[in-house]
Amino acid sequence: GAVVSQHPSRVICKSGTSVKIECRSLDFQATTMFWYRQFPKQSLMLMATSNEGSKATYEQGVEKDKFLINHASLTLSTLTVTSAHPEDSSFYICSASGAGGSLINEQFFGPGTRLTVL
Amino acid sequence: GENVEQHPSTLSVQEGDSAVIKCTYSDSASNYFPWYKQELGKRPQLIIDIRSNVGEKKDQRIAVTLNKTAKHFSLHITETQPEDSAVYFCAASKNNQGGKLIFGQGTELSVKP
Repeated sequence: GAVVSQHPSRVICKSGTSVKIECRSLDFQATTMFWYRQFPKQSLMLMATSNEGSKATYEQGVEKDKFLINHASLTLSTLTVTSAHPEDSSFYICSASGAGGSLINEQFFGPGTRLTVL
Repeated sequence: GENVEQHPSTLSVQEGDSAVIKCTYSDSASNYFPWYKQELGKRPQLIIDIRSNVGEKKDQRIAVTLNKTAKHFSLHITETQPEDSAVYFCAASKNNQGGKLIFGQGTELSVKP
């Protein structure tokens, strides 16, 4: 299957700082990337959908000025949590689709980033 | 928008028994229904999926059934093993949304030896 990496795997930061998370598709060109947030013992909540070269589409209730998404290439998308606060502490997971062929529609997930804001 | 309901939230079975998890979806245009297994602190892993032109799909001990009329789909795990213990999520999507997945709430499955 297709491989998606995410970096960093864990990050601890002080309140008020910004944190950037990278999501890369390693062996395919991802036409679409998705960012999810998952709180403990809860489901994955879609934050936004990004297509290469265009602005991300944010889900209702997600602040686009706080969660900046850049999808500059077909293999890289970044999520920047600006002015992070303790309530932003969560598990952030990206996924990518576009592997094509029989894998159309299938999303390949990154390993996730555990963000802790002190 | 699309809503996916999943039941039960927790499920405990004895090793060797079967486990069934059910999901319902609201948008009749949904046409792709994957199931994911997630272990603590790890990424969701696709275990089986089904498309709307198929009613049932099986892969060894895992099967999924889809009832488009009733808008529900189910995951069946037979001969459960302790390593099947994890959280399972159903999801639904439709092609014209670029594959956007809407997840169910999750089921924590515990298989007791």
